[in-house]
Amino acid sequence: GAGVSQTPSNKVTEKGKYVELRCDPISGHTALYWYRQSLGQGPEFLIYFQGTGAADDSGLPNDRFFAVRPEGSVSTLKIQRTERGDSAVYLCASSWTGGRVYGYTFGSGTRLTVV
Amino acid sequence: AQSVTQLDSQVPVFEEAPVELRCNYSSSVSVYLFWYVQYPNQGLQLLLKYLSGSTLVKGINGFEAEFNKSQTSFHLRKPSVHISDTAEYFCAVSEGDRDDKIIFGKGTRLHILP
Repeated sequence: GAGVSQTPSNKVTEKGKYVELRCDPISGHTALYWYRQSLGQGPEFLIYFQGTGAADDSGLPNDRFFAVRPEGSVSTLKIQRTERGDSAVYLCASSWTGGRVYGYTFGSGTRLTVV
Repeated sequence: AQSVTQLDSQVPVFEEAPVELRCNYSSSVSVYLFWYVQYPNQGLQLLLKYLSGSTLVKGINGFEAEFNKSQTSFHLRKPSVHISDTAEYFCAVSEGDRDDKIIFGKGTRLHILP
């Protein structure tokens, strides 16, 4: 596609529920990144994929968060037993290998609200 | 580990006046530096980047930034701002010898006053 697509754009869920957030990167981009942006804060790094494998998952806050990219394209961020503190905008970005040199292309984000 | 500090959470400036948004970074190795902009209700866009070479970097929309290694700074400047520059600006850093992840600062909201 022309840009990075994230679905849904908004998600409201009850505390304790499971959610999946989807990211469809730009076709051909090998690197994919997930960030979380809380109100009034900058994007916080969560995880980075190079192809199908997670190259760096050091930003995942705890074992309730998990992300996959099984075919090296679409990625899904999965959050189990959601908590109110998980409420944030979840951003996905993609790039060619060596992304920082070219710059990331960000999606518009998924706004997650846990009630 | 690398980190970024943006001391000013908000900067008000009159239209057509100059502006400087401050950014300091912390890293023990060489770095790549970036400024991203987020316009209201839009996604993050790359404004400019420093990878190597000239320490003065020019970006889109008339913005420029200067890399100062001794002061570990990468301040963003524009000589004359417009209402359309109203946005949140994020400084970001990536360590030169590590993987590609970029670490962002907390952002500076630029308010343009008429």
